[in-house]
Amino acid sequence: QSVLTQPPSVSGAPGERVTISCTGNNSNIGANFDVHWYQQVPGTAPKVLIYGNDKRPSGVPDRFSGSRSATSASLAITGLQVEDEADYYCQSYDKRLSASIFGGGTKLTVL
Amino acid sequence: DVHLEESGGGLVKPGGSLRLSCAASGFTFRNYMLGWARQAPGKGLEWVSYISSSSSTIYSSDSVKGRFTISRDNAKNSLSLQMNSLRVEDTAVYYCVRLRAPSLLSFMDVWGKGITVTVSS
Repeated sequence: QSVLTQPPSVSGAPGERVTISCTGNNSNIGANFDVHWYQQVPGTAPKVLIYGNDKRPSGVPDRFSGSRSATSASLAITGLQVEDEADYYCQSYDKRLSASIFGGGTKLTVL
Repeated sequence: DVHLEESGGGLVKPGGSLRLSCAASGFTFRNYMLGWARQAPGKGLEWVSYISSSSSTIYSSDSVKGRFTISRDNAKNSLSLQMNSLRVEDTAVYYCVRLRAPSLLSFMDVWGKGITVTVSS
């Protein structure tokens, strides 16, 4: 059971917009710790997609955006493309656990 | 090109030991905090352990504390993970990672391809 809760799966058609939520509590996201997002295409290593809640590394399309509010964060993907089909993970820090923590992951299916 | 490459994985019996290594290239190794993350088959990501640039600070998850030891050799651009008292639940793909900032709060900006560790009798 992950400390950060993500929906197991989301789906959308090409061109659509989808959002993936990441829900924490007052020991992590609610304590103002940054949230980072990773994309993992099956069979490959994860890569950072969003860091510091809403910042994109160079090379990541602006179709990907992140936000944080209260005890949760969200990843939004607009203009969905077939190559966006992957697993997505949120990550933050938990002060009660003194640990870096991940969400359980969300599988995005592009219909 | 920034690159991390793991080695040393394999099959080991419960209670056994294994040492993972990570060779780094393409960046100034001694300037960065590094670490290990893992992913059990069909499961999500899990942070394992981080080590500061000078080896003065080490963080480890409760699940591996006392069993796994992280270390680095800045002269050889190498990171290691000594895994002792291995359990079936340690079976996973282990990733060598670089931290963007020297903090447990940081994100992992570079990942190796991963190496498989299987603990089974």
